[in-house]
Amino acid sequence: EDQVTQSPEALRLQEGESSSLNCSYTVSGLRGLFWYRQDPGKGPEFLFTLYSAGEEKEKERLKATLTKKESFLHITAPKPEDSATYLCAVQHLGGSYIPTFGRGTSLIVHP
Amino acid sequence: DTGVSQDPRHKITKRGQNVTFRCDPISEHNRLYWYRQTLGQGPEFLTYFQNEAQLEKSRLLSNRFSAERPKGSFSTLEIQRTEQGDSAMYLCASMGRGGTDTQYFGPGTRLTVL
Repeated sequence: EDQVTQSPEALRLQEGESSSLNCSYTVSGLRGLFWYRQDPGKGPEFLFTLYSAGEEKEKERLKATLTKKESFLHITAPKPEDSATYLCAVQHLGGSYIPTFGRGTSLIVHP
Repeated sequence: DTGVSQDPRHKITKRGQNVTFRCDPISEHNRLYWYRQTLGQGPEFLTYFQNEAQLEKSRLLSNRFSAERPKGSFSTLEIQRTEQGDSAMYLCASMGRGGTDTQYFGPGTRLTVL
């Protein structure tokens, strides 16, 4: 059974204070690892897909990296508008592309 | 807007009533998924359609829940005899044809059962 553990559960940063969110996973053959952003009361918004160890992707202040056991979402010089819950999910090879989600990291960036 | 849409956005009902939610996926997407999300949790898979065929259902899906996608376009999720434990956000996601694996989510329907 696929498992995803995200840490920390909550993170408070000052504007400009860079940090990283962690996603540890166990999967029987990784098809892909996904990062989503979710604002309160809204559906998850797709950020990145990573497929193999060593892969990196960037978007504005966000950078996602992947190893064989975990992924990091690095946030550089965050702004208050980056405040949200960040969800990590994995899909295993075969099957119906059904992802297993972690519980998310709630990020608050103070001005 | 060409994203996934869901209706209604909010639903308040009394225990024991039936409710139905609708999801309209991205037009060219043939795969559609329903999830449930409670506070502090990630989305939990409920069921999956490829075109009009319901291919997979979660073991956690009570027999009070039923979903349809009659023409392979929009989908409905019905909950019969609602219970307070059904209160949650119900999310719909769609995915394109082979070779892609990214799901795009709708805004969700927030259900409150009194």
